[in-house]
Amino acid sequence: SQQGEEDPQALSIQEGENATMNCSYKTSINNLQWYRQNSGRGLVHLILIRSNEREKHSGRLRVTLDTSKKSSSLLITASRAADTASYFCATDRGSTLGRLYFGRGTQLTVWP
Amino acid sequence: GAGVSQSPSNKVTEKGKDVELRCDPISGHTALYWYRQSLGQGLEFLIYFQGNSAPDKSGLPSDRFSAERTGGSVSTLTIQRTQQEDSAVYLCASSFLGAGDTGELFFGEGSRLTVL
Repeated sequence: SQQGEEDPQALSIQEGENATMNCSYKTSINNLQWYRQNSGRGLVHLILIRSNEREKHSGRLRVTLDTSKKSSSLLITASRAADTASYFCATDRGSTLGRLYFGRGTQLTVWP
Repeated sequence: GAGVSQSPSNKVTEKGKDVELRCDPISGHTALYWYRQSLGQGLEFLIYFQGNSAPDKSGLPSDRFSAERTGGSVSTLTIQRTQQEDSAVYLCASSFLGAGDTGELFFGEGSRLTVL
């Protein structure tokens, strides 16, 4: 079963605009991670936020975590055509055994 | 190695044949994962190794699927008597699993399996 549920399923924006993607989950977590996947490629880790953190930044990426609502958001500022990809959130469901549970992803298209 | 390496990158096989997919993780990574991704879908967990043992095989879809890891390094995912529904991209990932945390996973480029 899916742990992370991203929304929207698809997002289409113009270059320079901000893109916001959301992720909801159902169980307690130790951390939540966001990954990016270009078409036909493997996944690339973007950012990890721990359950005791509320916000984290990395370059043009900003991730927030609200454990009371069991939700996270990924914001990409000043988007570029090269940001076009699928974005997945993943959680550990509170386990330390190493398995990550992925959502179905948000397909982001940035038009030049 | 520099990254997670998977082979073959593409495999086309006939229904009923066996296939082997290989994953060479990043040197020193203790944990290794296999996921499956069907077209336009998210990642379906298959199996996870810590060292050579597999504490979690719960995602293997049927007894036609098996995986092993030797020497704490290379892993092979074997699918016997392939079916058309096995067609997917099989992704391998590795991580250095420290105490008390599931850290970043490093993914390979995947093996695209097509069963005719």
